[in-house]
Amino acid sequence: DTAVSQTPKYLVTQMGNDKSIKCEQNLGHDTMYWYKQDSKKFLKIMFSYNNKELIINETVPNRFSPKSPDKAHLNLHINSLELGDSAVYFCASSQGYNEQFFGPGTRLTVL
Amino acid sequence: DQQVKQNSPSLSVQEGRISILNCDYTNSMFDYFLWYKKYPAEGPTFLISISSIKDKNEDGRFTVFLNKSAKHLSLHIVPSQPGDSAVYFCAASAINRGSTLGRLYFGRGTQLTVWP
Repeated sequence: DTAVSQTPKYLVTQMGNDKSIKCEQNLGHDTMYWYKQDSKKFLKIMFSYNNKELIINETVPNRFSPKSPDKAHLNLHINSLELGDSAVYFCASSQGYNEQFFGPGTRLTVL
Repeated sequence: DQQVKQNSPSLSVQEGRISILNCDYTNSMFDYFLWYKKYPAEGPTFLISISSIKDKNEDGRFTVFLNKSAKHLSLHIVPSQPGDSAVYFCAASAINRGSTLGRLYFGRGTQLTVWP
């Protein structure tokens, strides 16, 4: 059973489009995250939710909007996609301050 | 500004020998450190962690050493195996210093290659 799953795994789209990436965890964790890994391989946190409440909101364009319908899901919506949004996006979850479990990643390519 | 640095982008080690991966940090508030391992096309997986109240933590072939005065930690893998070939990320957090829940700062990663 997959602990943290993301869909889709690959996403290729045109500039200006709007897209969503979905994330689900079946670990019963109370905190979920979105990370971006750019071309230089840095893993940077974008958002985190604890019990559906936004607690980390890094300096990302407001074209990115997370949505947490329940504790097990954290989706990422991206509007008006730009070339610079091309990256691998990872979802993760944790129970409080404990270690984070990552999903397999979504490779987004904006053409 | 990178608060966690892994200055060696790659490391190559023969099977059976020791692999030593290094990590430096700049923020003295960090009190919890983790190592993650990442295979291609997969997400990072948690490997081992250490709290700042310790200077060593061991789990099987993996040992993490923490030198707080030098703001340095290292991951030792003994003996190294070809299946250990992956990218290793160092991460840090300030759990007991008022850090926002779950905020981890990652290094850039070190590609470890273990050859037969």
